[in-house]
Amino acid sequence: DGGITQSPKYLFRKEGQNVTLSCEQNLNHDAMYWYRQDPGQGLRLIYYSQIVNDFQKGDIAEGYSVSREKKESFPLTVTSAQKNPTAFYLCASKDSLYEKLFFGSGTQLSVL
Amino acid sequence: AQSVSQHNHHVILSEAASLELGCNYSYGGTVNLFWYVQYPGQHLQLLLKYFSGDPLVKGIKGFEAEFIKSKFSFNLRKPSVQWSDTAEYFCAVNAFGPGGYQKVTFGTGTKLQVIP
Repeated sequence: DGGITQSPKYLFRKEGQNVTLSCEQNLNHDAMYWYRQDPGQGLRLIYYSQIVNDFQKGDIAEGYSVSREKKESFPLTVTSAQKNPTAFYLCASKDSLYEKLFFGSGTQLSVL
Repeated sequence: AQSVSQHNHHVILSEAASLELGCNYSYGGTVNLFWYVQYPGQHLQLLLKYFSGDPLVKGIKGFEAEFIKSKFSFNLRKPSVQWSDTAEYFCAVNAFGPGGYQKVTFGTGTKLQVIP
């Protein structure tokens, strides 16, 4: 099955802890994106990557970090500096021909 | 910096009513425009897109959108909604920036509720 796989589906973070959300794709897409979805605020861009070993900050990058060591993988770390991490996190990759975004099923992060 | 505004946060319509959802963006350079839909419990999926050419674009399920460059708008329309159109609709802008970076920004979404 081709697509985007996000794991885990639910994640709990303790105060002062860093947590990492996984995003893997087997669509052979170059570009990948991380969004945060909060009720009433739509999808806000955290980080994006056009190609391996390169990534750019989005609109709300503070308190987050990413890496792009492989084309297939774009993990997001929510650091202890992110004071309001409770949200639904969506990962997407983009088809370069049709410019269409393909989304994963998301990770719900909550703070204990 | 680019931004996307959706003016209607929650719309309630009766079946067979006409729909128009507003979307405005701000960006001075080249953009591609999209509408995505999220049905309850499902992933976001592409409804339609505009790259260039005819400013009136047609998408799936009878939806269409019109790009008005002078107004920086890309409003979504459907002549007659059905109960199955109940979903959240997101406008998105793919902006082409320096270095070939393509930043995709979404609006805040519009929840559409269609009453049978």
